[in-house]
Amino acid sequence: GNSVTQMEGPVTLSEEAFLTINCTYTATGYPSLFWYVQYPGEGLQLLLKATKADDKGSNKGFEATYRKETTSFHLEKGSVQVSDSAVYFCALSESSASKIIFGSGTRLSIRP
Amino acid sequence: EAEVAQSPRYKITEKSQAVAFWCDPISGHATLYWYRQILGQGPELLVQFQDESVVDDSQLPKDRFSAERLKGVDSTLKIQPAELGDSAMYLCASSFDRATDTQYFGPGTRLTVL
Repeated sequence: GNSVTQMEGPVTLSEEAFLTINCTYTATGYPSLFWYVQYPGEGLQLLLKATKADDKGSNKGFEATYRKETTSFHLEKGSVQVSDSAVYFCALSESSASKIIFGSGTRLSIRP
Repeated sequence: EAEVAQSPRYKITEKSQAVAFWCDPISGHATLYWYRQILGQGPELLVQFQDESVVDDSQLPKDRFSAERLKGVDSTLKIQPAELGDSAMYLCASSFDRATDTQYFGPGTRLTVL
């Protein structure tokens, strides 16, 4: 079945450090890929998405590129801020009519 | 900006009691989802509605869980009787229609079963 595997946390970085959170997926067909973020005490928010191979999703300085050949969708940011502290979920949707399948989440903490 | 509303935000109950959660999706969104998020894990779909019809409830424990969306707008998820293992965050999400893959999530209801 379809699944998402992402880097285990927690990840702790200093402010202005470079961030990578790894995500790989298993799916039949051509899924859409997502990164969702969950700030403390809040619901899930869509951070970025990509719908086909080689697409790059970007938002708030975060980027992720849909790599079909490596079945990956790694999240990156060049310079993290304290306000980026949250839990990040990689996810896929097999088709536009289907449910979203989430990874287990990666907790990110940024030190001032 | 329109948001998905959920209530209550927190619920504490004893095992064997009944609990109910309410969700009001973004106006005009035909598709509504209920997810369960166990602490330390990603959300998992319990049930998906298209308007008032259930389109996927394959992961809903139907012996104790029920969900309805009678008028195709707001929705209620019920657990009866609650068990200790039901302690989790229950998330509601909505999307414009089944062809739209962006889902918008509410703040969730955190359930604790004692």
